Amino acid sequence: KQEVTQIPAALSVPEGENLVLNCSFTDSAIYNLQWFRQDPGKGLTSLLLIQSSQREQTSGRLNASLDKSSGRSTLYIAASQPGDSATYLCAVRPADSSYKLIFGSGTRLLVRP
Amino acid sequence: EAGVAQSPRYKIIEKRQSVAFWCNPISGHATLYWYQQILGQGPKLLIQFQNNGVVDDSQLPKDRFSAERLKGVDSTLKIQPAKLEDSAVYLCASSSGENSGNTIYFGEGSWLTVV
Repeated sequence: KQEVTQIPAALSVPEGENLVLNCSFTDSAIYNLQWFRQDPGKGLTSLLLIQSSQREQTSGRLNASLDKSSGRSTLYIAASQPGDSATYLCAVRPADSSYKLIFGSGTRLLVRP
Repeated sequence: EAGVAQSPRYKIIEKRQSVAFWCNPISGHATLYWYQQILGQGPKLLIQFQNNGVVDDSQLPKDRFSAERLKGVDSTLKIQPAKLEDSAVYLCASSSGENSGNTIYFGEGSWLTVV
């Protein structure tokens, strides 16, 4: 059974710092991996999607990497801003049931001005 | 383009009462999902529809939860009778197809508190 874990559960950093959020999954047989952002009281917004054949994806100050063999992904946020404060969730699609999204519990990020 | 609409946004009910949530997906999206997100956890899939057919409802507690998607557009999720552990955010999402490469769009959720 696929399980997704995110560490740390919460993170507080000063504005301007570069930071890394971690995601690990137990079964390396995945179709793709996505990172989402969730603001308080809001739904989820997709940030980056990495196909299983890819190593990384970039969007602006965000860079997501994928090491499928070791079951790990990282989300790198450069030059963090207070507006980046949110919960970040990663989710994987298993290769044998690729219509499913299995989520981690998220990392709550606070960027202090 | 209008997003995924959900109502009501907030609901407080007593245990053993019933509640219903409504979702209107993005126009033209064939796939509709209901997720349950308990505070501090990631969303868990309850049910997935492809048009008006059920793709997966393996994690739906069928003794108290039901969902339907008549005419392949809007959907309702019902809980009857509610338990304290049903307190959660119920997220509706949609995508243009069942293909795992299609982007999934989430609504803002319906927040349920059972007291």
